[in-house]
Amino acid sequence: DAKTTQPNSMESNEEEPVHLPCNHSTISGTDYIHWYRQLPSQGPEYVIHGLTSNVNNRMASLAIAEDRKSSTLILHRATLRDAAVYYCILRRNNNDMRFGAGTRLTVKP
Amino acid sequence: NAGVTQTPKFQVLKTGQSMTLQCAQDMNHNSMYWYRQDPGMGLRLIYYSASEGTTDKGEVPNGYNVSRLNKREFSLRLESAAPSQTSVYFCASSEARTGRLGYGYTFGSGTRLTVV
Repeated sequence: DAKTTQPNSMESNEEEPVHLPCNHSTISGTDYIHWYRQLPSQGPEYVIHGLTSNVNNRMASLAIAEDRKSSTLILHRATLRDAAVYYCILRRNNNDMRFGAGTRLTVKP
Repeated sequence: NAGVTQTPKFQVLKTGQSMTLQCAQDMNHNSMYWYRQDPGMGLRLIYYSASEGTTDKGEVPNGYNVSRLNKREFSLRLESAAPSQTSVYFCASSEARTGRLGYGYTFGSGTRLTVV
């Protein structure tokens, strides 16, 4: 199975941009890159996904490297409510979405 | 906008007891999933149901059974609970269709289960 590598933790200051990296060097051509986040004591929440092109939505932006071996989730202005564990996941088929340990993001006021 | 509803939210069982965790979704999604999350770890897939009438094993199916009662409901049963099954259980659903992997999962808020 294709795996992802993320830093265990990151810190950010409130109102500043945050770039959360993810390496996926064994990605295959049909793997979608999904990002989820999990706030304390809640279930994971879908953030964004992409295949080859960069993507933007109301929550975040996803920048995908040209060779697709890495990607970056961008939160444009971190708020205290963005403190969560962020998971980068490669989705190869409908029913195989495996979560790693993710990156714990701390936002400082 | 209920989404995915799980019951109960909390449960304490004694070793050897059985129980069923309930999950229902109101989004008309085809696929449903059960995950468990142990402290400090990511989620692991227990079982999934790609469509009504089908179920398949995930990464960690031992000690569990599932039933896809109808399109809305997907239950998880522990026949003889063990302390190793102490975890937070999450149900999820997705409008997954063959070849279309751009659909996200919607998760419930979880069931915290303690087996003593």
